[in-house]
Amino acid sequence: GQNIDQPTEMTATEGAIVQINCTYQTSGFNGLFWYQQHAGEAPTFLSYNVLDGLEEKGRFSSFLSRSKGYSYLLLKELQMKDSASYLCAVKGVNTGFQKLVFGTGTRLLVSP
Amino acid sequence: DTAVSQTPKYLVTQMGNDKSIKCEQNLGHDTMYWYKQDSKKFLKIMFSYNNKELIINETVPNRFSPKSPDKAHLNLHINSLELGDSAVYFCASSHRSQGTGNTIYFGEGSWLTVV
Repeated sequence: GQNIDQPTEMTATEGAIVQINCTYQTSGFNGLFWYQQHAGEAPTFLSYNVLDGLEEKGRFSSFLSRSKGYSYLLLKELQMKDSASYLCAVKGVNTGFQKLVFGTGTRLLVSP
Repeated sequence: DTAVSQTPKYLVTQMGNDKSIKCEQNLGHDTMYWYKQDSKKFLKIMFSYNNKELIINETVPNRFSPKSPDKAHLNLHINSLELGDSAVYFCASSHRSQGTGNTIYFGEGSWLTVV
């Protein structure tokens, strides 16, 4: 089975840096995704890690440690529009096809 | 321009009714999914089809029946709706992947309310 944990809620101020952690236990691992979901909207892709290390994409970076079952999403220079839920998802293997299992999401509130 | 589109966006219906949600993708993907997001915002996979063939079927009541007429369409039919079926249902699609980073793209969601 798969178990993915992330904090339920976080708060930060505009211009700051915030790190959202995700820990996972899986029976198969083919990568970890981060998605952003604004209230009432669909999840949208942010990042993908399959090897250990840091992937940087503009203000957003994602880190993975496979040996520790750990990832984090780093958001720099926070903007009000970054207020959203951030979903950690692990891609396992199901009879050769990918299966994406999501954590419960972290709701980030950015204040002025 | 819409990549993954699903209809209807909002659906309010009475208990016991039968309803369908339709989904279409124009991304050329060969794999499509249905995910359910409950009131606690937990997003959970229900079904996955690859080239019209069912490949993932999580523990979902038999009242839920997906149908894929072709690889660009995956519809979800729900019989005898119950109050607990109230949720947001997301359709999604991707390329088949065995270890590569093929991203899953989500539709806008269908808000189902059973009263």
